[in-house]
Formats: sequence, C-alpha cells, structure tokens
Amino acid sequence: SQQGEEDPQALSIQEGENATMNCSYKTSINNLQWYRQNSGRGLVHLILIRSNEREKHSGRLRVTLDTSKKSSSLLITASRAADTASYFCATGDSGNTPLVFGKGTRLSVIA
Amino acid sequence: GAVVSQHPSWVICKSGTSVKIECRSLDFQATTMFWYRQFPKQSLMLMATSNEGSKATYEQGVEKDKFLINHASLTLSTLTVTSAHPEDSSFYICSARGLAGAPAQYFGPGTRLLVL
Repeated sequence: SQQGEEDPQALSIQEGENATMNCSYKTSINNLQWYRQNSGRGLVHLILIRSNEREKHSGRLRVTLDTSKKSSSLLITASRAADTASYFCATGDSGNTPLVFGKGTRLSVIA
Repeated sequence: GAVVSQHPSWVICKSGTSVKIECRSLDFQATTMFWYRQFPKQSLMLMATSNEGSKATYEQGVEKDKFLINHASLTLSTLTVTSAHPEDSSFYICSARGLAGAPAQYFGPGTRLLVL
C-alpha cells in the first residue's frame, strides 16, 4: 500500500526557478527519504531526513519535515533542465520494514 | 556506496513463459531484499519482502505462486514471474538492506519486462 500523496502530481517550471514538492504521509515514521527517477530508469537517492530533524540541506536541495502535520517538502533551487524527472518521497520506520513510496511528482524544467 | 545490480535490465517474452530476474548486492551482505513493481507513470508498489534463508512475505494482492521469490544467499535474491501474461508487463525494481534497522535501502536499476 502507499503511504500518502505527493503534491503537486505534475509541475512545470522555467530553468532557474525554484521547484517545491510536498509529501504527506499517514503513519509514524523513523525517517523520510526523497528519490529521483528519470523516465524509465532506476531510483536515485537524494536525501534522508530523520524524524527528529526539521530541515536538511544537500547542494541545491532543501528538505523539511513536520512530523506534527505528517508532511515533508522538497525544494530544488535554481532548477536546471537536467532536474526533469519524477520525485518520490518514501517513509521508513525503525526496524526492518521496507520503504513505502508516495505517488510522486513529475517535474519538468523547461530550458 | 553500496551497489545493487539487476539482471537482465530488460526482457521480452511470450505469454505463458516464465522469467527470472536476479538481484545482487555487490559489495555488502543484504539480510533483507525487497521487490517492487512500477507501472508506467505510477509509483513503486511493494510486492514482497525476503529475508535470507526464509520464505518471502508477500503484500496483499500479490500472488505468491505467480511471483516466486528466492533469497538463497546474502547477496542474491531472485524473482521468477511464472506463466507470464501481458498484464505482468512492468518495471520490476529490487532493493537491499544491509544491517537490520539501518535506514538505508539500496535500489537496483530495475528490470523492464514486456510480455507479448
């Protein structure tokens, strides 16, 4: 089963603009991860944020986590055409359970 | 970083045949491996969880007799799609986890299956 929703489902922006994607989930989590997937390809791990963290940065990526609202956001700053991909959030709990993926946001960055 | 490979990367087969997909952890021992399926423009849906040396745990709605999973060693898990039909055409992705409780889950590059 899927954990929750990404919002928006699709996003189209101009190169150089910022892209913000949101993710909501339903159950308690230990961590939340964001992945990128280019069309027809495998997943690329972007960033992991733990439940006791509120914000994390990695290069042009900024992730926030609000456990009280069960939501997370991924911000990509100064977007590039190469950022065009689908972005998924995935939640994990403590223990040996698998990641549960959201529905994803399809991002198109137009040069 | 940890690397997970899948073989083959794509396969085309006739309806009714069986297809085996291999998932290997190349530089770490994977106590647990997961199999996901992804239909076009959709998200990854977990099919099953396999622990080395024990039977796989299947998600609701996934036929265990159709999707046979074997996790015979700490570096190899296989998914066999038996008597494949066109509706089984999908992108199959495996992932592996090393230490129990570690949050990192490493994904393979996926196998695209087309059943004619």
